[in-house]
Amino acid sequence: AQSVTQLGSHVSVSEGALVLLRCNYSSSVPPYLFWYVQYPNQGLQLLLKYTSAATLVKGINGFEAEFKKSETSFHLTKPSAHMSDAAEYFCAVSELQGAQKLVFGQGTRLTINP
Amino acid sequence: EPEVTQTPSHQVTQMGQEVILRCVPISNHLYFYWYRQILGQKVEFLVSFYNNEISEKSEIFDDQFSVERPDGSNFTLKIRSTKLEDSAMYFCASSDRPGPYEQYFGPGTRLTVT
Repeated sequence: AQSVTQLGSHVSVSEGALVLLRCNYSSSVPPYLFWYVQYPNQGLQLLLKYTSAATLVKGINGFEAEFKKSETSFHLTKPSAHMSDAAEYFCAVSELQGAQKLVFGQGTRLTINP
Repeated sequence: EPEVTQTPSHQVTQMGQEVILRCVPISNHLYFYWYRQILGQKVEFLVSFYNNEISEKSEIFDDQFSVERPDGSNFTLKIRSTKLEDSAMYFCASSDRPGPYEQYFGPGTRLTVT
C-alpha cells in the first residue's frame, strides 16, 4: 500500500531564506508524486508533479522538487521564501497502474517570518 | 480560469441527520472524487466516480455514504445518518482523465456534526 510521510507539521523560515519541506513515500510500484498547496479558505492547488520523466521537477511560484528513488524522497524546495508562500503544503502519491486516488501526507504548515 | 466549486462552505447538522454536500466540477471533466480531512489529520480519499458509477472507494466509504451526479453539472455526496466522527472538511475534485494526473480541488465544505 502506498503511504506518504511529511517530516515536520510546521516549518518556519525567514523571508528570503531557503524553504525545504520534506516528503518520503512508500510505494510498491513506480509512483507518481505531487505537491499541493492550500491557502486559507481555498482548495488544494497543484504546485508540481513527478511522472517518471525528469527527476528534478519545476513548479509554480519558484518551487521545485527532486525525486530520489534511492531515498524514496520527494522534497520540496524554494531558494528564497516570500511572504505569500505562507500556506499548508501537502505531498501526495499515486500509483501508475489504474489507481485513481491520491494518498496524502499529513501536511506541513509553512510560516514566513518578516 | 475554470474551477471546482462547493456548497455550502460550512454545514452544521445534528447527529443522525442526513446531509448532502454539493460540488460543481469543471465542465469538461469526467472523473470526480471526494476526499475528507478530519481536523489535524491527513486528507483521505473517499470515492472516485466515472460514467455514473463508483470506480473506487475507500474503507471509510461505507453504506452511510453515497454519491450521485443528478444532472450534467452537479456531483453530490450524501451522508445518510451523520455521526460525530463525520465532522471534517470535505473536498471535491475533478479530472479530465483517469489515473494519476492532476486533480482539481474545490475549496471544501466544513461539516460540523453536533
